[in-house]
Amino acid sequence: NAGVMQNPRHLVRRRGQEARLRCSPMKGHSHVYWYRQLPEEGLKFMVYLQKENIIDESGMPKERFSAEFPKEGPSILRIQQVVRGDSAAYFCASSFAGQGAPDGYTFGSGTRLTVV
Amino acid sequence: GESVGLHLPTLSVQEGDNSIINCAYSNSASDYFIWYKQESGKGPQFIIDIRSNMDKRQGQRVTVLLNKTVKHLSLQIAATQPGDSAVYFCAENKKLSFGAGTTVTVRA
Repeated sequence: NAGVMQNPRHLVRRRGQEARLRCSPMKGHSHVYWYRQLPEEGLKFMVYLQKENIIDESGMPKERFSAEFPKEGPSILRIQQVVRGDSAAYFCASSFAGQGAPDGYTFGSGTRLTVV
Repeated sequence: GESVGLHLPTLSVQEGDNSIINCAYSNSASDYFIWYKQESGKGPQFIIDIRSNMDKRQGQRVTVLLNKTVKHLSLQIAATQPGDSAVYFCAENKKLSFGAGTTVTVRA
């Protein structure tokens, strides 16, 4: 039973390009959460999705960032027109039940985005 | 602002000693707390959790204490080992937020 799979592990983009980060939740999990982690900082919540729905996007910047979790396939975090400040590690987590569930969240290994 | 926060950003511990990592929270409605461990280059891993109707829970070498009166929880690691070197986060379930983390370094 594979855990949460994120790809790519490392992504390098030039300023102005688009970055697409993928997350496949654990089997049986229908709730996905995205976090951003800057160097030497904690995990900042970005967005919470359930299949085909965005439940909470209060932590996601209003511009250039979007997320989806289609009925089929992985969840995608998209960053358009990347800037140097977008360089960070982006973690995805999934859970069986939703926010507030007693099972906690299982995290992936992250995608490290570097904008040059 | 964040609803959980750790008291100290770093903790240096002698191998074999016990470690205590503290965390404060502000949301009285939180009913479930989780401790995660993040090793360098990896994602956070679940360590132990505790419900708000408990004040103590023990795992393998780890104990979490919850004091609802002062909205404080702590993670105790017994006989700290080099493999315990990591960043430790506390989280509460209502807002999915994490504190800044405490970096634990184990001295040989």
